[in-house]
Amino acid sequence: DAMVIQNPRYQVTQFGKPVTLSCSQTLNHNVMYWYQQKSSQAPKLLFHYYDKDFNNEADTPDNFQSRRPNTSFCFLDIRSPGLGDAAMYLCATSSLGGLAGARNTQYFGPGTRLTVL
Amino acid sequence: AQTVTQSQPEMSVQEAETVTLSCTYDTSESDYYLFWYKQPPSRQMILVIRQEAYKQQNATENRFSVNFQKAAKSFSLKISDSQLGDAAMYFCAYRSGGGSEKLVFGKGTKLTVNP
Repeated sequence: DAMVIQNPRYQVTQFGKPVTLSCSQTLNHNVMYWYQQKSSQAPKLLFHYYDKDFNNEADTPDNFQSRRPNTSFCFLDIRSPGLGDAAMYLCATSSLGGLAGARNTQYFGPGTRLTVL
Repeated sequence: AQTVTQSQPEMSVQEAETVTLSCTYDTSESDYYLFWYKQPPSRQMILVIRQEAYKQQNATENRFSVNFQKAAKSFSLKISDSQLGDAAMYFCAYRSGGGSEKLVFGKGTKLTVNP
């Protein structure tokens, strides 16, 4: 089945120790997103890639970076995690082409829950 | 900027009954998309239903249907014949049709289904 995969599902890191979260997709979608979701809150968009074009949200801290080496993979790097960065990180994808029913719809992965000690 | 408001932080329903979750939004755009997503506890965010603003007909997916009132900027979700597996957080979301990729989410409604 076509899907959005996130690894690992649970990640524990130490305060200030860099961490990388991974997302891959088999949907061949041209847009990939990273969201941060804190407990009992709505997801907050950090940034997205439209093909290779990186689009950062204005209020995303510099501590968060992203890489998209190819269509299928996208990474979220947190350079120096703080206690406030503990959250669920959601990857999503969408296509601007394709079937009308699916176009412009975002499909989410299962998320990576990050704990910062 | 667009905003999405879900005025019911929590709702409950008896199994097999019907429940309606409210969502209102604010926009000056005429072309946009609206979505309801379901997020069970510690589980994946799943698309429930979507509605294109240019379509007058309300979207339906099995037991899920929407009441889309464009003039009133209202987009409620009706769940019929509620099942225990419907228990989740439900998020209403807005996406501009004008090229912006951003989904604007409401704060969510936590739905409890009582047996």
